[in-house]
Amino acid sequence: NAGVTQTPKFQVLKTGQSMTLQCAQDMNHEYMSWYRQDPGMGLRLIHYSVGAGITDQGEVPNGYNVSRSTTEDFPLRLLSAAPSQTSVYFCASSYSNRENTGELFFGEGSRLTVL
Amino acid sequence: GQNIDQPTEMTATEGAIVQINCTYQTSGFNGLFWYQQHAGEAPTFLSYNVLDGLEEKGRFSSFLSRSKGYSYLLLKELQMKDSASYLCAALDSNYQLIWGAGTKLIIKP
Repeated sequence: NAGVTQTPKFQVLKTGQSMTLQCAQDMNHEYMSWYRQDPGMGLRLIHYSVGAGITDQGEVPNGYNVSRSTTEDFPLRLLSAAPSQTSVYFCASSYSNRENTGELFFGEGSRLTVL
Repeated sequence: GQNIDQPTEMTATEGAIVQINCTYQTSGFNGLFWYQQHAGEAPTFLSYNVLDGLEEKGRFSSFLSRSKGYSYLLLKELQMKDSASYLCAALDSNYQLIWGAGTKLIIKP
């Protein structure tokens, strides 16, 4: 059972370049989300999805796009990378955001550096 | 605004007990989570509290007081592998998680 798989683990971009972070889960989870983690700050929600075909913005959505064409996949696209997007990105999923536990399962993270 | 406060760093001795505190202010409340995150790794779920009181799970326990907006994570019989960051997160009225910045726990022999 792979859980949540994120790729790539490391990426260096130049300002203005675009890229996609891939995320896939094999647990049939309805809820998927993308977070960024920066030193001294809590995890910040970028975008999330409560099911296939449904996406919504989180706390810091600017500069990022997402889509959810299948239950399994939730890619995050950086449209035109900026140095402020240098961060560690985590994809996370859960069975349902509204259940009692709401326990999140995280991918291993993607460390992105924008020069 | 919504806010989670927890100490930035704590140090404890192997074999001892440590309590990591967390206070929260959120728009509505649907539960309080604790996650463990080792350096360079992903967060992993430790506990969930929605009712007042203490939940015990092996060496780890988590406490919640809804009236005080307060929780703590209690780690007993500390082991070197417990050196990690501990993240407190509250679930708000929209079922979104509000995260604290994390408490880095350093265990000394």
